[in-house]
Amino acid sequence: EVQLLESGGGLVQPGGSRRLSCAASGFTFNDYAMAWVRQAPGKGLEWVSSISGFGDISYYADSVMGRFTISRDNSKTSLYLQMSGLRPDDTAVYYCVKLDAFGNGPQTWGDSWGQGTLVTVSS
Amino acid sequence: DFQMTQSPSSLSASVGDRVTITCRASQSVRSSLNWYRQKPGQAPSLLITRGSTLHTGVPSRFTASGSGTYFTLTITSVQPDDFATYYCQQSTSPKWTFGQGTKVEVK
Repeated sequence: EVQLLESGGGLVQPGGSRRLSCAASGFTFNDYAMAWVRQAPGKGLEWVSSISGFGDISYYADSVMGRFTISRDNSKTSLYLQMSGLRPDDTAVYYCVKLDAFGNGPQTWGDSWGQGTLVTVSS
Repeated sequence: DFQMTQSPSSLSASVGDRVTITCRASQSVRSSLNWYRQKPGQAPSLLITRGSTLHTGVPSRFTASGSGTYFTLTITSVQPDDFATYYCQQSTSPKWTFGQGTKVEVK
């Protein structure tokens, strides 16, 4: 059974930094691309970033480009999101998502989702 | 950028009703359109891929169709588990975009 367990959420001051982690199990981690998707309180889903199985190809939403960095450690079956320059509109539940393929190009979807970790950006 | 627009934003239904949700893309996404269900307080879960393919384990009461810019998701007989919010997602671009969601509520 696929399990994705996010951690690292919490209260952060505007301009601050935070690192989210996602511990994956139940599948061959390095065979699959991964992504982060967020959801502001009471709002819809917003894709944030994705990374290929090797970790050599990544994409970012315009709203986080230059502030967030996605990475993975296949030896630890873990996905990360380093967030800096945080703003109040980054407040959201951040979901770790397993893609259905090795690549993170077109024709992909999220076939497994973690339960999410809440990041609140406020002074 | 691909903009995805769902309608309606919400609807009311009773158990056993047939409901249809639409998703329109600002430009053609061919068949690269997926659907998710998000139950209250839970993470989203995948329902449909490539416009019309039922994901593993998804009940057959869910059907979907469409291509290009117009897609539909139909629940042929709403069950208690289906009172939730539904999202479409395009994957023509590696930068996914989601519709704003359609909430299916109890009438």
